[in-house]
Amino acid sequence: AQTVTQSQPEMSVQEAETVTLSCTYDTSESDYYLFWYKQPPSRQMILVIRQEAYKQQNATENRFSVNFQKAAKSFSLKISDSQLGDAAMYFCAYRSDMEYGNKLVFGAGTILRVKS
Amino acid sequence: DAGITQSPRYKITETGRQVTLMCHQTWSHSYMFWYRQDLGHGLRLIYYSAAADITDKGEVPDGYVVSRSKTENFPLTLESATRSQTSVYFCASSEFVQGNQPQHFGDGTRLSIL
Repeated sequence: AQTVTQSQPEMSVQEAETVTLSCTYDTSESDYYLFWYKQPPSRQMILVIRQEAYKQQNATENRFSVNFQKAAKSFSLKISDSQLGDAAMYFCAYRSDMEYGNKLVFGAGTILRVKS
Repeated sequence: DAGITQSPRYKITETGRQVTLMCHQTWSHSYMFWYRQDLGHGLRLIYYSAAADITDKGEVPDGYVVSRSKTENFPLTLESATRSQTSVYFCASSEFVQGNQPQHFGDGTRLSIL
C-alpha cells in the first residue's frame, strides 16, 4: 500500500516571503498523480495544484509551484510571496493510476502560519 | 447551485445511537468517497463507490455502513456510535475518467459522540 509522509507538522513564514512544504511518498508504481490540497479554518478542501508522474515538468499555479523528484519520491510545495490568506492546513495526496477506485492517500498535513 | 453538499454541518450524539451523515452531489460524478479527518492522520478513506449500487471498503470501514441507490446520494451510517468515531467527516466525488481529475469535497460534518 502507498503511504504519504509530511514531516513538518507546522511551518511559519513571514508575509511576502517564500516557504516550502515537504512531502514524500512510498510506492512501487510508475504511473500516479500527486495533489496538494489547502484546508483553511472554514474546513473546505481546496485543490491547490496537481502533478502527473509521467510529466517531468514541475506544475505551477500562480504563486504555487512544486518540486517533483520522481526518483526520490518527493513532492514539495513552494509558496512564493506568501499572503495572510495562505494560512491553512496543507495536505499532500497520492492517487494510483493503476489501482481501482480513484482513491486518494493523504499525508497527515502541515499547518502553515503566516506572520504579518 | 452545482456542487457537493453534506448535512448536517455539526452533529452531537451519544454512544450507541445510530447516526446518518448525508452527501449529495449535482455533477453526476460516478465516484463518491467518505473520509474521516483526525489530527495526526490526515484524511483516511472509510468507503467509496464507483457507481450506484457498487460500494467498497476503504482503509477504516469498521463501524460504518454506506449505500448508494442513486448516483447523486451517498449516505454514511454509524450503526452504533462509539467515542472513537468522533471526527470530521468529508464526502467527495470525482469523474470516472483516467487522468489527473481531482476529487471535489464537501464542507465536512463535525461529529461529536459523547
